[in-house]
Amino acid sequence: QQQVKQSPQSLIVQKGGISIINCAYENTAFDYFPWYQQFPGKGPALLIAIRPDVSEKKEGRFTISFNKSAKQFSLHIMDSQPGDSATYFCAARTGGTSYGKLTFGQGTILTVHP
Amino acid sequence: DAGITQSPRHKVTETGTPVTLRCHQTENHRYMYWYRQDPGHGLRLIHYSYGVKDTDKGEVSDGYSVSRSKTEDFLLTLESATSSQTSVYFCAISAGVNYGYTFGSGTRLTVV
Repeated sequence: QQQVKQSPQSLIVQKGGISIINCAYENTAFDYFPWYQQFPGKGPALLIAIRPDVSEKKEGRFTISFNKSAKQFSLHIMDSQPGDSATYFCAARTGGTSYGKLTFGQGTILTVHP
Repeated sequence: DAGITQSPRHKVTETGTPVTLRCHQTENHRYMYWYRQDPGHGLRLIHYSYGVKDTDKGEVSDGYSVSRSKTEDFLLTLESATSSQTSVYFCAISAGVNYGYTFGSGTRLTVV
């Protein structure tokens, strides 16, 4: 059962454009929604995260938009650069006694053309 | 990655053989996790640990076992490797349930 669904599977954007990756979840007990960035041959690295009590969080060119009623959240990369080319994963965590376990989306391969 | 090391980085093994992957951390974090990464599936949790000798199953635990005898080491064992276990395996650590993960660099395992 895939509790976090991510789209698109792959995305091609021109340098300077906006990259948008979407995720939808089912479990209303999720209370923490991070995004991870992964370069080839490396492990994923935390990029930005949001909690459901805010609708938007921005860090530099990266913004998470969160819609609690729709159970959706998205990553926006403004002014996309070739160095942003990587695989991006959304994730969600259940609060309480979940031992911090994260459920990940399927991943999006982003390619930014110069 | 700082504070977390996975070994080996690459391994090729034959079907039916046992395989052990090691995750070593120097951060003294309580929580450790093993995930596998496969195209189209993202990262899926195999097993996790919330303390020394405290472990539990994740969503894809069949065919895998784990052990954690010391805070710093979390071992993943494939009892009898199958081709379906060909994957990239990632270990992650976390300081607590309200903290993010730090991932290792992964182990690419090929079962032939």
